[in-house]
Amino acid sequence: QVQLQESGPGLVKPSQTLSLTCTVSGGSISSGGYYWSWIRQHPGKGLEWIGYIYYSGSTYYNPSLKSRVTISVDTSKNQFSLKLSSVTAADTAVYYCARAPTIEAAFDYWGQGTLVTVSS
Amino acid sequence: DIQMTQSPSTLSASVGDRVTITCRASQSISSWLAWYQQKPGKAPKLLIYKASSLESGVPSRFSGSGSGTEFTLTISSLQPDDFATYYCQQYNSYPFTFGPGTKVDIK
Repeated sequence: QVQLQESGPGLVKPSQTLSLTCTVSGGSISSGGYYWSWIRQHPGKGLEWIGYIYYSGSTYYNPSLKSRVTISVDTSKNQFSLKLSSVTAADTAVYYCARAPTIEAAFDYWGQGTLVTVSS
Repeated sequence: DIQMTQSPSTLSASVGDRVTITCRASQSISSWLAWYQQKPGKAPKLLIYKASSLESGVPSRFSGSGSGTEFTLTISSLQPDDFATYYCQQYNSYPFTFGPGTKVDIK
């Protein structure tokens, strides 16, 4: 059974960089075939897809965030990470990591989510 | 970006009711649509993919239909565990986008 777990600071100051890691267990990122995404949900709001990474390192980002987002993968640790720079209060959200079985597929496994608050 | 809309935004129903939620896309997405269920404080759970395929382990009272721009999620007989918020999501083209959600609450 695949499990995903987000980790990282719950509080980030404005203008700083938000950094989160998703640790995957029960399956290997490097085995390929899956696309690993970050998705966020503003408090009481809907869901916003941030971007994905493949084990090879290829990425695709939501154009609305592209200038501030970097997603990377560390296959040796079976982890992938999100960096979001120059954050503001508008980036306060629950951040989820998720897996899709192909490049164009629904998200079949999700992490539990982690709340990141941007505040001084 | 493809815009997703859902109706209604809130639905009040009773246990045993047949419930239908509609999702519309701003342009054709073929059948590349998923439905998720989310409960407070939890991650979304995949129910339906490719518009009408039931995810493994999901009760058969959930079903999906539609193609192109109009889709529906039906719960044939609402159970206590089904009170939640439901989201549709298109994965036909980037960026993937979600609907605003439909909250199903107790009548």
